[in-house]
Amino acid sequence: ETGVTQSPTHLIKTRGQQVTLRCSSQSGHNTVSWYQQALGQGPQFIFQYYREEENGRGNFPPRFSGLQFPNYSSELNVNALELDDSALYLCASSLQGQYQETQYFGPGTRLLVL
Amino acid sequence: DAKTTQPPSMDCAEGRAANLPCNHSTISGNEYVYWYRQIHSQGPQYIIHGLKNNETNEMASLIITEDRKSSTLILPHATLRDTAVYYCIVRVYVNRDDKIIFGKGTRLHILP
Repeated sequence: ETGVTQSPTHLIKTRGQQVTLRCSSQSGHNTVSWYQQALGQGPQFIFQYYREEENGRGNFPPRFSGLQFPNYSSELNVNALELDDSALYLCASSLQGQYQETQYFGPGTRLLVL
Repeated sequence: DAKTTQPPSMDCAEGRAANLPCNHSTISGNEYVYWYRQIHSQGPQYIIHGLKNNETNEMASLIITEDRKSSTLILPHATLRDTAVYYCIVRVYVNRDDKIIFGKGTRLHILP
């Protein structure tokens, strides 16, 4: 177990709705990264939060947004849901400093958009 | 795009060593090789990483060639629970740029 938790585990939404996914980072970690994994594909980087600020973003539209809180937990918000947003959403936490540190993943939230 | 090439699938008999190859011919001097695995849509699990030297931990060994253009992950005594998709990743950490770019990985089947 990595100590990274995500909620909810599963979610069903309809097109056009909005969704919020949550991630609690491992104790002592200050960075959360979010990834989207479509069926049969590897995870794709959405964005990363470090000390409550966005610190890098992948090729995702602005309707994907996030927050990081003072306790380093994080939220991923997706507006105007589309069918293609159906995927496993993963968060990973790490401790960033002078040197590279390993990212540890949570179990994911499976989102189905109908 | 991912900077690594892996075979799409491999089989290994239970109890034998599983050797998973990875090519990363364009790797730079400051880029690390990381391995993760993902068991049936769970979150990816960190296995091991290295820069130049071979590495070993309780899960696996990582052998990196001298020119660093390829590496091999070795699971010394594979069990059925090692059936998973294994991702080889090249990572660089510059100015807190820390995203992981995943490829398609190798689907490892452990045969009883």
